[in-house]
Amino acid sequence: DQQVKQNSPSLSVQEGRISILNCDYTNSMFDYFLWYKKYPAEGPTFLISISSIKDKNEDGRFTVFLNKSAKHLSLHIVPSQPGDSAVYFCAAAYDYKLSFGAGTTVTVRA
Amino acid sequence: NAGVMQNPRHLVRRRGQEARLRCSPMKGHSHVYWYRQLPEEGLKFMVYLQKENIIDESGMPKERFSAEFPKEGPSILRIQQVVRGDSAAYFCASYDRGGETQYFGPGTRLLVL
Repeated sequence: DQQVKQNSPSLSVQEGRISILNCDYTNSMFDYFLWYKKYPAEGPTFLISISSIKDKNEDGRFTVFLNKSAKHLSLHIVPSQPGDSAVYFCAAAYDYKLSFGAGTTVTVRA
Repeated sequence: NAGVMQNPRHLVRRRGQEARLRCSPMKGHSHVYWYRQLPEEGLKFMVYLQKENIIDESGMPKERFSAEFPKEGPSILRIQQVVRGDSAAYFCASYDRGGETQYFGPGTRLLVL
C-alpha cells in the first residue's frame, strides 16, 4: 500500500528559480514528516523535517509546508542551485516507522 | 549520513549463494532499520531492530531473509539462496530513540548474477 505519494517523478528548474516538490499522504496517524536528498550511489541525506503540530519549517534555502487537512506537504528550495540536482524523497513517520514516497528527480539547469 | 557505516558497498553473488550485509549505526544509536530500494522505486521498510531484539520485521520476505543486531558488533542482514530479484540497493539507517530522525548509511548494492 502506497501511503506516501510523490506524483511528479521529475522536475526541471532553472538555476536561481524556486523548486517546489509535492508529497501527499493517506494515513492520518503520521505525525512527523521528513525530506531526504539522495545522490546516485549514496545513501539518503536528511534535509529538513516538520512535526504535525506545525505548518511551516524553514532552514536556509529550504522550507517545508504542511497542510494536514489536505494531507499534503511540499518542499520549497529557493534559490535553486546546481548542487541541488538530486532525487528527493518525502517520508512520513508514525511511531518508529518511516514510509517513503518514490522520489522526485530534480534537475537544476544553468 | 555521518557515522552510519555499511559494508560492503558492492556485493556480487551468483544465484543460490548467501549474501551478508553489515551495518554499524551512529555512535550512541541503539536502533537500526533496514530498507530495500528497487530500481525506480522508493525505499521500502524491511526490519527494525534494537540491540538483541527484533522490534518489527513486517517488511521482510518470509523466507531466505533474516536480520540480527547483536549486543556487540554490527547489524547483519542475511539473504540465503539469493535470486536475481534480490538485486537492489540495501540501506541501513540508525535512530536514537530520543530523536525523530533516521540517518542513513551509503548502502550496499547487491547484484545477483
